[in-house]
Formats: sequence, C-alpha cells, structure tokens
Amino acid sequence: QKEVEQDPGPLSVPEGAIVSLNCTYSNSAFQYFMWYRQYSRKGPELLMYTYSSGNKEDGRFTAQVDKSSKYISLFIRDSQPSDSATYLCAMSAGTSYDKVIFGPGTSLSVIP
Amino acid sequence: EPEVTQTPSHQVTQMGQEVILRCVPISNHLYFYWYRQILGQKVEFLVSFYNNEISEKSEIFDDQFSVERPDGSNFTLKIRSTKLEDSAMYFCASKQRQGQPQHFGDGTRLSIL
Repeated sequence: QKEVEQDPGPLSVPEGAIVSLNCTYSNSAFQYFMWYRQYSRKGPELLMYTYSSGNKEDGRFTAQVDKSSKYISLFIRDSQPSDSATYLCAMSAGTSYDKVIFGPGTSLSVIP
Repeated sequence: EPEVTQTPSHQVTQMGQEVILRCVPISNHLYFYWYRQILGQKVEFLVSFYNNEISEKSEIFDDQFSVERPDGSNFTLKIRSTKLEDSAMYFCASKQRQGQPQHFGDGTRLSIL
C-alpha cells in the first residue's frame, strides 16, 4: 500500500463550482497535514496547514482531516480559472526536522 | 513576504560532471531541506539539515550527494558525478521551527545530457 494516495485527475470544473480534492494515507504517525498548490514549472506553494483532526478555513479554502479514517480533503469554493494548478496533499509526523511526504497530486482545470 | 530563492532556474550538465545547486532559505529559518521531482512523478524527500549537520536522508541521497551551509545565508546541494537519472526538478525548502510548515523555492531544473 502506498504511503499517500491521491486521485491524479485530471479534474475539470466550470468557474464558480465547488471543488473537492481528497487523499488517503496509511501511516498513523502523521500529525501535520498540508495542501500545496503547484503551477507548472514552479515550486509547491503552501495553501493550508493543519494539525491532527478537524477543519480549517481560509478564505475560499477549507481543509478537513479525519485521522480515524486516514482521510484528508480540500474544498475550494467559488473556483476561479486562476485556481487551475496541481494540488498536492502532504503530511509529516511532526518531529523536529521531519520530512514531508507528498501525494502524487491532482491536476485541476477551472474552465471560464 | 519572505521566500526561498534558488539558483540557477535551469542547469544543463554533461553526464559525469559535478553540479552545485544553490538555495537561500528564509532568513530566520533553522531547518533546511532538499526534495526532487522527476517529471510526471511526485515530490520526493532527499535530505534534511539542522544545526550544521544532516538530520535525515533518503535512500536516493547516496554518496554522490552532499549538502553544505557555507555561510549564514546559503544552502547548497552538490552532485559529484551526475547520471542521466539525476535529471529532475530540485526544490529547496526551509522552516522556522518544529510545528511550522516548510516553505519551498521554485526549484532548479537539472538536465543531464
């Protein structure tokens, strides 16, 4: 079983739609959960950062973590063409200098 | 907003040559990382660096790889004798302290001919 799994898409939605992106993971040691956005030929850009289970909202973005199911989600409301990118879920165990483990990414296109 | 900067943006090197990738982490950050992303694949951890020494390294980070923080601002990744399979995007990341997220640079695209 892969450590972090994510549907690669591509996902295509009309402008204004609600987008739901999801990841599952297998390592119960993960404590910190991130969503990064990556544009073509660019580095991962941090969108959301959460600790343990629960919800976090930031503008049009909501991150959800369910550690009991080992399942995390990112919701994008009122999607815009500028949201078109690859979305990477990522997680870490939370030790001092711990590495981040990335999912393979979901490619999203928001059509005007 | 402070950011991680990487140079060069694109490096083309002949197989067998040495290459040094450079990074300037965010100034008050204490933890430094290198990751790589082969085209079409996921971002993979290479090495973490704290207090002037390697904290953890992956199996990818073999004896051909080394890291250094030569001064108070730069963080470098050296590949001693490049191979074709080293062609990838290399990302530098840094974070301030435990419990904080890592911030990434825009990467160096390394092409080995």
